Amino acid sequence: QVLLLQSGPEVTKPGASVKVSCKASGDRFTTHYVHWVRQAPGQGLEWMARINPSHGDTYFAQKFQGRVTMAWDTSTNTAYMQLSRLTFDDTAMYYCTRSSLRDWYYFDIWGQGTQVTVSS
Amino acid sequence: SYVLTQPPSVSVAPGNTASITCGGENIGSETVHWYRQRPGQAPVLVTYYDDARPSGIPDRFSGSRSGNTATLTITRVEAGDEADYYCQVWDSDSDPSYVFGTGTKFTVL
Repeated sequence: QVLLLQSGPEVTKPGASVKVSCKASGDRFTTHYVHWVRQAPGQGLEWMARINPSHGDTYFAQKFQGRVTMAWDTSTNTAYMQLSRLTFDDTAMYYCTRSSLRDWYYFDIWGQGTQVTVSS
Repeated sequence: SYVLTQPPSVSVAPGNTASITCGGENIGSETVHWYRQRPGQAPVLVTYYDDARPSGIPDRFSGSRSGNTATLTITRVEAGDEADYYCQVWDSDSDPSYVFGTGTKFTVL
């Protein structure tokens, strides 16, 4: 069974950065993209970015270009997403999810989510 | 960016059939995927490529597309179906390319 296990909740200040991890088990993820999707309180889902773990190439929504950094650690099968220059509007639940490299149109497995709270 | 519009809420009595719509310009040329999100939980894929279902999703869930509207149909509604539902497309001309609908709160009466 493929699982995505995310890191715990984070509380941070405006202007700071936050780093969230997503550990994959049950699959080497050589045939999938890893994506990051966020959900502000009471709001809908918003796609942020994706990484190809095999090659490290990345693709971002323009809104997050320059603020999001992603990485993949092959030794631990873990994806990382760092969001910098945080504002109060970045308070949200952050999900990692995956899509097939060949069939990248939808997301079949999701992590449990990581709550990020930006507070002064 | 591409916009997918869903009704904010839909309510249906148990045992009946529910339809949740997703409207978007030229959605007929897209493939539409649907997710269920129960309170406090992560989204779960319920249909993809309009009407395909992942393993574990009952055949009470089906998707369809006609004109500028995609529809998720839930037959024989159960209390456990109560959740928020989101449609989603991948549109190469949009930024972001992965677009989610506005979401529908589905209530079982």
